Amino acid sequence: AQSVTQPDIHITVSEGASLELRCNYSYGATPCLFWYVQSPGQGLQLLLKYFSGDTLVQGIKGFEAEFKRSQSSFNLRKPSVHWSDAAEYFCAVGGSNQGGKLIFGQGTELSVKP
Amino acid sequence: KAGVTQTPRYLIKTRGQQVTLSCSPISGHRSVSWYQQTPGQGLQFLFEYFSETQRNKGNFPGRFSGRQFSNSRSEMNVSTLELGDSALYLCASSPGLRSYNEQFFGPGTRLTVL
Repeated sequence: AQSVTQPDIHITVSEGASLELRCNYSYGATPCLFWYVQSPGQGLQLLLKYFSGDTLVQGIKGFEAEFKRSQSSFNLRKPSVHWSDAAEYFCAVGGSNQGGKLIFGQGTELSVKP
Repeated sequence: KAGVTQTPRYLIKTRGQQVTLSCSPISGHRSVSWYQQTPGQGLQFLFEYFSETQRNKGNFPGRFSGRQFSNSRSEMNVSTLELGDSALYLCASSPGLRSYNEQFFGPGTRLTVL
């Protein structure tokens, strides 16, 4: 079955510290992978996506993610977190045979300490 | 370009009523997908429309339905509302055939069922 797992429900980091949010997926074919961010009361904003090619992808707001097929992972990273990064982060998987259907993880809520 | 717009932003209904939510995609986008977001179940795919045809459907009861108009605007309808239908309903639009490439989300409609 297709699924996405985000093992960490809530993470707290200090401002200026590095960040890594974990995402593991289960998907039969080559996946299309996404990270979205959601601020309270808002919709989802796409941070980055992976379809093929270079396994390290750069996104907006200084985020990057690395696709590791052998580990079925697509972890999100940022070298230095800003207070404005506090939000909920969702990993999602889709595929060419899924049309517009994305399967989302449960989300990781990020808190940033001053 | 204007983003995805959803109306209304907030709705309060009572059990047994029906409700219609509206979504206007980004200009030129032909695919519209709907998602339900709840604290317990997270983000779940409802259905996708492309060129007025339902292309994909999630695992929701028949009380949930949708349609797309020739201008790509979409509506979803929920009949015989239940308390469990209280959720944030998100609409996402995408440019074309490969709708998984990138989905742009609206701010959502917050539905409360009393």
